[in-house]
Amino acid sequence: GAVVSQHPSWVICKSGTSVKIECRSLDFQATTMFWYRQFPKQSLMLMATSNEGSKATYEQGVEKDKFLINHASLTLSTLTVTSAHPEDSSFYICSAREGEANYGYTFGSGTRLTVV
Amino acid sequence: RKEVEQDPGPFNVPEGATVAFNCTYSNSASQSFFWYRQDCRKEPKLLMSVYSSGNEDGRFTAQLNRASQYISLLIRDSKLSDSATYLCVVNTRGAQKLVFGQGTRLTINP
Repeated sequence: GAVVSQHPSWVICKSGTSVKIECRSLDFQATTMFWYRQFPKQSLMLMATSNEGSKATYEQGVEKDKFLINHASLTLSTLTVTSAHPEDSSFYICSAREGEANYGYTFGSGTRLTVV
Repeated sequence: RKEVEQDPGPFNVPEGATVAFNCTYSNSASQSFFWYRQDCRKEPKLLMSVYSSGNEDGRFTAQLNRASQYISLLIRDSKLSDSATYLCVVNTRGAQKLVFGQGTRLTINP
């Protein structure tokens, strides 16, 4: 089946630094990729949707200058958390979709970010 | 009001019991419905899609009531390995994104 590889699995960084998270579709072309954030005991909240070669569409309340998304190819999307602060500590998960099918969503394994 | 609402639980039930979860959604234009399972500190994984006529996959049965905007998941003969958080997920016609409920936490006790 479809596989999405997400790296790193976890990262600890100092406040003020930037962190890049990669999401790769390994055996399919992901026309659309989604980035979610999940705080403890809360649901996944969509941060942004990106289509290959286009600018990402951010959800209300998500700062596009802080969370930089690049989807330069059909198999790779990256999320960069710039100038990270402790409140950015969370579980970040990507999801990729092949084509337009509503059931074709595959999730990465997630990245646990801790900002100290 | 949240777009997808679930009772967060936790539910603690003995092994072998039957347990049911409910979920309501607010957007009447919602088109696709799913149940996902999420283990602690892991990504969500698709458990099953939910169809209007109701559908069953082994010990799991999903029901959809469009008139009441209500989705249910029934787990029969529960196993220890069923312990997880169950997420109700909805997709709206014409929209690309999935909307997740808060999740219902289930623990199966031996």
